[in-house]
Amino acid sequence: GAGVSQSPSNKVTEKGKDVELRCDPISGHTALYWYRQSLGQGLEFLIYFQGNSAPDKSGLPSDRFSAERTGGSVSTLTIQRTQQEDSAVYLCASSFQEGFGYTFGSGTRLTVV
Amino acid sequence: EDQVTQSPEALRLQEGESSSLNCSYTVSGLRGLFWYRQDPGKGPEFLFTLYSAGEEKEKERLKATLTKKESFLHITAPKPEDSATYLCAVKPDYGGSQGNLIFGKGTKLSVKP
Repeated sequence: GAGVSQSPSNKVTEKGKDVELRCDPISGHTALYWYRQSLGQGLEFLIYFQGNSAPDKSGLPSDRFSAERTGGSVSTLTIQRTQQEDSAVYLCASSFQEGFGYTFGSGTRLTVV
Repeated sequence: EDQVTQSPEALRLQEGESSSLNCSYTVSGLRGLFWYRQDPGKGPEFLFTLYSAGEEKEKERLKATLTKKESFLHITAPKPEDSATYLCAVKPDYGGSQGNLIFGKGTKLSVKP
């Protein structure tokens, strides 16, 4: 597609449930990033995939968070046993090369009730 | 600790009233500084990348400049459609393949007609 596609755009889940967020990057972009944006806060780095290299998971806030990228394209961010503090907008971005300007998707707004 | 601070948090201008947004940073080596624009409910939109002190980039009414400690986003004769949150981010030079950007909290710009 022409841009980074994220789904769903909105997700309301009950505390304790697992959720999966999907990101479809721009075709040909080798780098893919997940960020979290909470109200009044800056974007918080979560995880970074570059080609076939091992992902940089240094930003994941707890072991309830995990992500994978299949075939160097689509990525899924999974949050297990969701907590209210997980409520935020989860943004995915991709770039042609690491360090170049990212193209962001519109995000998934997650609300944990 | 690597840090990005943006000021002011919010800025209200009249149409045509030029001003500047500030982004100050402390990083252990800078590989690049990025400016993004974010509209409500959307992901950040890439504007500029600056790599070295003294560099300037322009796009329509926007001009970004960079020194060794800060960057400015100058807005000349703004229009209401320039209203958005402007985000600044830095990519530290760790010498490795770190992919993440460090974002500031943004400046929310409102331009009144």
